[in-house]
Amino acid sequence: DTAVSQTPKYLVTQMGNDKSIKCEQNLGHDTMYWYKQDSKKFLKIMFSYNNKELIINETVPNRFSPKSPDKAHLNLHINSLELGDSAVYFCASSLYGVGANVLTFGAGSRLTVL
Amino acid sequence: ELKVEQNPLFLSMQEGKNYTIYCNYSTTSDRLYWYRQDPGKSLESLFVLLSNGAVKQEGRLMASLDTKARLSTLHITAAVHDLSATYFCAVDTNTGNQFYFGTGTSLTVIP
Repeated sequence: DTAVSQTPKYLVTQMGNDKSIKCEQNLGHDTMYWYKQDSKKFLKIMFSYNNKELIINETVPNRFSPKSPDKAHLNLHINSLELGDSAVYFCASSLYGVGANVLTFGAGSRLTVL
Repeated sequence: ELKVEQNPLFLSMQEGKNYTIYCNYSTTSDRLYWYRQDPGKSLESLFVLLSNGAVKQEGRLMASLDTKARLSTLHITAAVHDLSATYFCAVDTNTGNQFYFGTGTSLTVIP
């Protein structure tokens, strides 16, 4: 059983299109995240949800809209895709609170915008 | 914004040698994590360091944390090819659950 699963694994699309990436975790975690990893492997947090509520919203264009229907799911919708959106997007989950909160990552979704 | 810097960014070393990767961060935190990422793969947790002076070891890797210096190190002993990967440190702000990742260190161990 995959702990954090993302779909699709690969996305190739044209500029201007809209796309979504889905994420689900079966670990019983209450916090989920989206990270973007660029071509230089820099990892940057985009969003974090705790029990379906947005708790972190870094400086991300408003073309990116996360949605968390329940605490086991966090989807990412991207409107009007641009070349600079090409990256690997990682979903992750953890337990919220002070203490050791190890992130469990999904396998990543590689988005290529042409 | 919290800054987390690692050095070196790239490290090429011969099998059998020792080396240390450094992770500096810019704000108060006593929670630091190390992750490993194989090429084209996801990140997996290696170590969790939760207090000043914490030291953890697993095989040929040993991680330590000095919260006063805002520094963590990942020491590699007698490197083997299987250790080739990118290593990230990450800092969790003391408000909890806001993780900031270092720039990553791409390690290549040459036979």
